Amino acid sequence: EPEVTQTPSHQVTQMGQEVILRCVPISNHLYFYWYRQILGQKVEFLVSFYNNEISEKSEIFDDQFSVERPDGSNFTLKIRSTKLEDSAMYFCASIRDSNYEQYFGPGTRLTVT
Amino acid sequence: KNEVEQSPQNLTAQEGEFITINCSYSVGISALHWLQQHPGGGIVSLFMLSSGKKKHGRLIATINIQEKHSSLHITASHPRDSAVYICAVASNQGAQKLVFGQGTRLTINP
Repeated sequence: EPEVTQTPSHQVTQMGQEVILRCVPISNHLYFYWYRQILGQKVEFLVSFYNNEISEKSEIFDDQFSVERPDGSNFTLKIRSTKLEDSAMYFCASIRDSNYEQYFGPGTRLTVT
Repeated sequence: KNEVEQSPQNLTAQEGEFITINCSYSVGISALHWLQQHPGGGIVSLFMLSSGKKKHGRLIATINIQEKHSSLHITASHPRDSAVYICAVASNQGAQKLVFGQGTRLTINP
């Protein structure tokens, strides 16, 4: 069964460093999402991406964040200058069309020290 | 006020018991999702529903659109059902982003 993959599974970085989290959505999917979950809290929406552009973003998704789909398969989330409060599990998700269930990747645990 | 509220937050039961987790929401939705999150953190989609009832094995999900309420039932619960169950709604506007409840931690004791 096709699945969403994410790399790395765990990333440790120092405050102020740039990180890139990578996702490979399911190949025929059209809508892509990033969510995050701070330890002990609920999952929060960050950004959605469709037709090679951001379709919606949350208040969390400020100028420090960016997304890209550079080559038609990878979908990346970049945090330019990480802060301690960026420590969280980041999930990528994709759907084939607007009326289909979302498939989640296994997540990347980001730890900012 | 949270857009998606789940109850209970924690639930402990004995193997074999019938389990019910409830979800109420306050926004217009195109669909409601029930998700399962295991201790390792991964999220698995259990159901997506916009009306009525769906069944998969021992799991049953129902939704009442007029009352903005959904329930997830587990029949003949088993210790392997222990996980966090999350209700999430897809807005009927915009990009189908999900808005999540805080989750229900279910523990089934043998």
